[in-house]
Amino acid sequence: GQQVMQIPQYQHVQEGEDFTTYCNSSTTLSNIQWYKQRPGGHPVFLIQLVKSGEVKKQKRLTFQFGEAKKNSSLHITATQTTDVGTYFCLKTSYDKVIFGPGTSLSVIP
Amino acid sequence: NAGVTQTPKFQVLKTGQSMTLQCAQDMNHEYMSWYRQDPGMGLRLIHYSVGAGITDQGEVPNGYNVSRSTTEDFPLRLLSAAPSQTSVYFCASSSQLAGVGNEQFFGPGTRLTVL
Repeated sequence: GQQVMQIPQYQHVQEGEDFTTYCNSSTTLSNIQWYKQRPGGHPVFLIQLVKSGEVKKQKRLTFQFGEAKKNSSLHITATQTTDVGTYFCLKTSYDKVIFGPGTSLSVIP
Repeated sequence: NAGVTQTPKFQVLKTGQSMTLQCAQDMNHEYMSWYRQDPGMGLRLIHYSVGAGITDQGEVPNGYNVSRSTTEDFPLRLLSAAPSQTSVYFCASSSQLAGVGNEQFFGPGTRLTVL
């Protein structure tokens, strides 16, 4: 009911290729956040999306919130080795914070 | 500001031992939470608190206790450690739970091994 799904679970790309991870919820979201966790590190906030259809960009990263506010995506253009890590989406449900299972990105130099 | 701090960074316990993982934040955040992270399982919520004196259970609360006597501190207690509790534990805080502006700030984590 409250779960958030992410696909793919793992992605291996050649450096310079693009990468996309998708986050899907069965319920409408008030907002969604994205986090990045480097290997051996802790999750770090990237961005929050609030409005239906919202698109935000951070350099090579593009974040999108679906029109129905039930899904979101993170797209990285021309990956670099510094993009390695696990990308999580997060939603709030009443008084709980729920993370998606994450997409682990490996970049082959 | 130190942000969110956690101690210890590493800990090895024997089955049946008890211990407390410490978490503190200096941002005057009301919301604090504890997660455990296991390979392939993402971050699972153990307990959370919406303010001093208020705590509640998350997804995987069994074997853990928490208390919130001050806004700053949110310790996690393992009552009788079991090998299944081997994990990386993260504490997080945010200024508010719902709505715009509830970025979660994470501590560096505690890597716990139970033998």
